[in-house]
Amino acid sequence: GENVEQHPSTLSVQEGDSAVIKCTYSDSASNYFPWYKQELGKRPQLIIDIRSNVGEKKDQRIAVTLNKTAKHFSLHITETQPEDSAVYFCAASSDSNYQLIWGAGTKLIIKP
Amino acid sequence: DTEVTQTPKHLVMGMTNKKSLKCEQHMGHRAMYWYKQKAKKPPELMFVYSYEKLSINESVPSRFSPECPNSSLLNLHLHALQPEDSALYLCASSQDNPSNEQFFGPGTRLTVL
Repeated sequence: GENVEQHPSTLSVQEGDSAVIKCTYSDSASNYFPWYKQELGKRPQLIIDIRSNVGEKKDQRIAVTLNKTAKHFSLHITETQPEDSAVYFCAASSDSNYQLIWGAGTKLIIKP
Repeated sequence: DTEVTQTPKHLVMGMTNKKSLKCEQHMGHRAMYWYKQKAKKPPELMFVYSYEKLSINESVPSRFSPECPNSSLLNLHLHALQPEDSALYLCASSQDNPSNEQFFGPGTRLTVL
């Protein structure tokens, strides 16, 4: 079955710097890759997603890149702000599988 | 309405109690999900309902019993739980399958004494 690995588990960056979180997946049939942000005590919220027919997608300070050949995708956050502090989860799914397979999560800490 | 709602927000129950968690969405989504989330871990899928039919049961113990009365409602009936079942229980919905955005409810924080 599908397996998603996420690194690093904790990432501490200076406010204003960029942050990059990486995920790899095992199932070549996976075609949908969302990123969720979860603040302490809150629900996971989708911040960006990408499908396998696209290599990159941007939304203001957030971007996701996908390398289908290498089976990895990354989240890039530029000009980090204190409100970016949260746990970020990557996930993967395919049309044939009614499940999101989740990465273990990355705790992002923005230092003032 | 673009929200998934869940009640109650918090629940404390003893091991002999019976209680139910409720989830509602009015976005016309046809897939609904129950997840269990422990601290510092990703959500763990428990059940998936697709078009009001149970399509996935991830080997969840029978003390958890899901129910989908209609396309907008999802319940999780709890009976004879164990302390290790204490967790955040999240409901989510999506248009029809996971290749569409899943919208999460705020969760029910469950404590089993």
